[in-house]
Amino acid sequence: QKEVEQNSGPLSVPEGAIASLNCTYSDRGSQSFFWYRQYSGKSPELIMFIYSNGDKEDGRFTAQLNKASQYVSLLIRDSQPSDSATYLCAVGNYQLIWGAGTKLIIKP
Amino acid sequence: EAGVTQSPTHLIKTRGQQATLRCSPISGHTSVYWYQQALGLGLQFLLWYDEGEERNRGNFPPRFSGRQFPNYSSELNVNALELEDSALYLCASSLEAGRNTGELFFGEGSRLTVL
Repeated sequence: QKEVEQNSGPLSVPEGAIASLNCTYSDRGSQSFFWYRQYSGKSPELIMFIYSNGDKEDGRFTAQLNKASQYVSLLIRDSQPSDSATYLCAVGNYQLIWGAGTKLIIKP
Repeated sequence: EAGVTQSPTHLIKTRGQQATLRCSPISGHTSVYWYQQALGLGLQFLLWYDEGEERNRGNFPPRFSGRQFPNYSSELNVNALELEDSALYLCASSLEAGRNTGELFFGEGSRLTVL
């Protein structure tokens, strides 16, 4: 059974701090890794993807992938209240396996 | 450019009835995915269509079915509705099947309520 695990949270972070979201996966053959953001009552939207080991930066967001340890993380720098949402990790090749999501709350 | 569109936005049915949900992908996208998201739960994969063919289905009973039309739009049918089918049904499209399959663009969803 292929699984993707995320801490459900909520994760509470002060405004301006770094939010760190983590995800572990069971399938060592996974090649593609995605982070989606879902605001309450809205559909998920893709914010980052990473295919190779290491870090990938896009603005305030950094995705980190460690295939040997089978984890992928998302760092959000200078957290803003608008970053408050549920963050979904998705892992796979041709078919994605989704985590249940981590609820992030940014406190003003 | 129009995003993924889904209809209807809301649908209310009673137990035993059938529901049909529709999805139009982004222009040029050939892959369509259907997901179920029950209240407070994660995304559960239902079906994946690409180039008119069903490529994969999730762990759902056969009363969940669908198809993809030549214009790549898709519909999801749920027969013999049960109370636990009440959920948000999300459609997503991607440019093509392949490594970037996870780069999905979601519609706003169809909320199905079964009474």
